Amino acid sequence: QVQLVQSGAEVKKPGASVKVSCKASGYTFTGYYMHWVRQAPGQGLEWMGWINPNSGDTNYAQKFQGRVTMTRDTSISTAYMELSRLRSDDTAVYYCARGAVVEPAAIEPLDYWGQGTLVTVSS
Amino acid sequence: DIQMTQSPSTLSASAGDRVTITCRASQSISSWLAWYQQKPGKAPKLLIYKASSLESGVPSRFSGSGSGTEFTLTISSLQPDDFATYYCQQYNSYSQAFGQGTKVEIK
Repeated sequence: QVQLVQSGAEVKKPGASVKVSCKASGYTFTGYYMHWVRQAPGQGLEWMGWINPNSGDTNYAQKFQGRVTMTRDTSISTAYMELSRLRSDDTAVYYCARGAVVEPAAIEPLDYWGQGTLVTVSS
Repeated sequence: DIQMTQSPSTLSASAGDRVTITCRASQSISSWLAWYQQKPGKAPKLLIYKASSLESGVPSRFSGSGSGTEFTLTISSLQPDDFATYYCQQYNSYSQAFGQGTKVEIK
């Protein structure tokens, strides 16, 4: 069965960086886009971007351009999301979620989600 | 970027009620619209994709309709397990977006 297992909670100081991991199992990791979505406490869902695990190509939401980096390690079927220059309003639960198949090109929703990683930014 | 607007933000209903949530896109997204259910402390769960297709395992009391810029999620007979927050999402464009959410609470 498809599973996305994320790394544990993090506490960071303002200005620092955080790197969250998402280990995939139960499907071909390089065959599907991986998206990242965050949710601030009591707030809605915010799409951050995606990575094509096959090519490494990325697409980031404009809001996060210059601060977010999505990478992957295909040898261990793991995607990463690194957010830099953290601010207090980056405190949120960060989710990875599986998107569309890479080939053939398709338009598909986010069908499997990780359990979420709480990132707290506090001095 | 395409903006998604849901209404209402909160909905009070009783078990057995028929419930409808609306989602509007700032420009046409054809039928590339999904609905998710989220319960406190849990990841979202996909309910509906391509505006009206029911995800496998989702009860048939959930249905979706619409195309272009106007979409609806309907729960035909609200069950106790359905009290949650619902989000629409457009996944058509290079940049995706969610609605702000609709909380369905017990009346």
